[in-house]
Amino acid sequence: GEDVEQSLFLSVREGDSSVINCTYTDSSSTYLYWYKQEPGAGLQLLTYIFSNMDMKQDQRLTVLLNKKDKHLSLRIADTQTGDSAIYFCAERFGNYGGSQGNLIFGKGTKLSVKP
Amino acid sequence: NAGVTQTPKFQVLKTGQSMTLQCAQDMNHNSMYWYRQDPGMGLRLIYYSASEGTTDKGEVPNGYNVSRLNKREFSLRLESAAPSQTSVYFCASSATGNGYTFGSGTRLTVV
Repeated sequence: GEDVEQSLFLSVREGDSSVINCTYTDSSSTYLYWYKQEPGAGLQLLTYIFSNMDMKQDQRLTVLLNKKDKHLSLRIADTQTGDSAIYFCAERFGNYGGSQGNLIFGKGTKLSVKP
Repeated sequence: NAGVTQTPKFQVLKTGQSMTLQCAQDMNHNSMYWYRQDPGMGLRLIYYSASEGTTDKGEVPNGYNVSRLNKREFSLRLESAAPSQTSVYFCASSATGNGYTFGSGTRLTVV
């Protein structure tokens, strides 16, 4: 079945770049998403990329998609302590259930930013 | 700009008690979802509603029921709560083809 894999933890120093990686299994995925969850809060959509794109940049965020390897990454430039959170990768696939495809989430990568 | 509103934010239940988690969205979204989040398990889909009047099971539906009351509201009911249902529950909604908007969650403890 469909699966999304992420490493569970990442620790960086303030000012460095963070790279969070994700692999997915469904080659028919249409959109891929990155969500951020701060402690005690819900998930917030950070950015997304359509499957026919290789890269998307949005201020400090860069999303890279390697469709051949089914690999997605999120790079955060100049990482700040406020970026400490859990980051979820998600893929939307097919047309399941008439809802234009449900999202499948990875287990999340906990990013810790040290001053 | 309320987005997705969940109530209550916190709840403690005794084993065997019942309760309904409420969710409402004001974005005119067609689809609504209920997830549970547990440590090390990520987000797991309980039920979803592709449109008003329809509901379908997700990955972990056992022990839950849902009602899509109207386009705005999607409730999740636990008929007989069990300690295994201790979790954080998230409601989400989406327009067709777009990403999800999540509520802030309900933290449920079953003792």
